[in-house]
Amino acid sequence: SQQGEEDPQALSIQEGENATMNCSYKTSINNLQWYRQNSGRGLVHLILIRSNEREKHSGRLRVTLDTSKKSSSLLITASRAADTASYFCATDQNDYKLSFGAGTTVTVRA
Amino acid sequence: SQTIHQWPATLVQPVGSPLSLECTVEGTSNPNLYWYRQAAGRGLQLLFYSVGIGQISSEVPQNLSASRPQDRQFILSSKKLLLSDSGFYLCAWTTGRVQLAQYFGPGTRLTVL
Repeated sequence: SQQGEEDPQALSIQEGENATMNCSYKTSINNLQWYRQNSGRGLVHLILIRSNEREKHSGRLRVTLDTSKKSSSLLITASRAADTASYFCATDQNDYKLSFGAGTTVTVRA
Repeated sequence: SQTIHQWPATLVQPVGSPLSLECTVEGTSNPNLYWYRQAAGRGLQLLFYSVGIGQISSEVPQNLSASRPQDRQFILSSKKLLLSDSGFYLCAWTTGRVQLAQYFGPGTRLTVL
């Protein structure tokens, strides 16, 4: 079953703008991960944030985690056309399994 | 460096036909291996995972099966495909526990007609 749920389902922004998407989950976690998927391709790992971390940065990506609200957000700053993709959050269900959300589809307009 | 391969890239099969999808990983040993299915516009559904040769955990009861005949080879099979088996099949690997990232293959697009 899917534990994470992304919001919004779809997002359309102008190049140069920031894109923010959220992920909510139901049970306690050890870590939360974000992945990107270009159309028709496999997923690419973007960033992992542990349950004892509140914020993490990687290049133009900023991830926050609020374990009290069981939610996370992914911010992409200064978006580019190449950022057009679907973005998924994933939470660990046990030592070996991840549960993925349904994803947010981001379209960056030139 | 590590590489993951999946084949075929696309497949069109009639209902009732058998299926065999293969995934191999290079550049690592004793990986955890995963099969996911993704319906159009949806998230990933975990089908099977394996933490070692011959060790298969099934997540969803269905007409699919998985095998791991070698350390870095993971095979997804079916004896008789259903229309509902259509989808995008992704293989992934990781080392150790899921505190680390999973690395995905390019996927196989399966259409059952």
